[in-house]
Amino acid sequence: GESVGLHLPTLSVQEGDNSIINCAYSNSASDYFIWYKQESGKGPQFIIDIRSNMDKRQGQRVTVLLNKTVKHLSLQIAATQPGDSAVYFCAENNAGNMLTFGGGTRLMVKP
Amino acid sequence: SAVISQKPSRDICQRGTSLTIQCQVDSQVTMMFWYRQQPGQSLTLIATANQGSEATYESGFVIDKFPISRPNLTFSTLTVSNMSPEDSSIYLCSAGELQGLSGYTFGSGTRLTVV
Repeated sequence: GESVGLHLPTLSVQEGDNSIINCAYSNSASDYFIWYKQESGKGPQFIIDIRSNMDKRQGQRVTVLLNKTVKHLSLQIAATQPGDSAVYFCAENNAGNMLTFGGGTRLMVKP
Repeated sequence: SAVISQKPSRDICQRGTSLTIQCQVDSQVTMMFWYRQQPGQSLTLIATANQGSEATYESGFVIDKFPISRPNLTFSTLTVSNMSPEDSSIYLCSAGELQGLSGYTFGSGTRLTVV
């Protein structure tokens, strides 16, 4: 089936810097995307979502960018903090009510 | 957003036995799902738990191995039957309304080890 993938499996950033996590999706029919954060021993936690009729959405310290032309999604975290260390997943909805998850990127924040 | 309680949080089971995992949501929800996650890997959808009818299974997962119940809009169970070491994984319940305020919420997961 269609898949969602990531360019970087591990990202290491300095505390205070900005982080950018990327995700490529293959189904052009996908119309809704979510970024999840998963800390060790916990379930994924919703961060931010975006619909296909938008190309940018901002939350608190996070911004999601959607480029439908190249089927690319990114999550930007401003002023990265140690508490941001986790695995980040993008997920897409292209049929019914199901989500397809990408492979995940581990973000490591260096103090 | 919905709050999910999932239990047990972890278990160590003998091969050949079965384990039932429970998922309780604090509010009525339309959608409930069960996922499997190998450590260090992404989430794979096992099935959609349908209220009052048989679950909808994804390719590679069958009802005899992973029977699912959903008696109402707040509760579901997943049973891992006739377990083998290959079933060792994290099992996650997810619930909510797609494109609601916070997508789908996840439980904390059940870490299963089969020996």
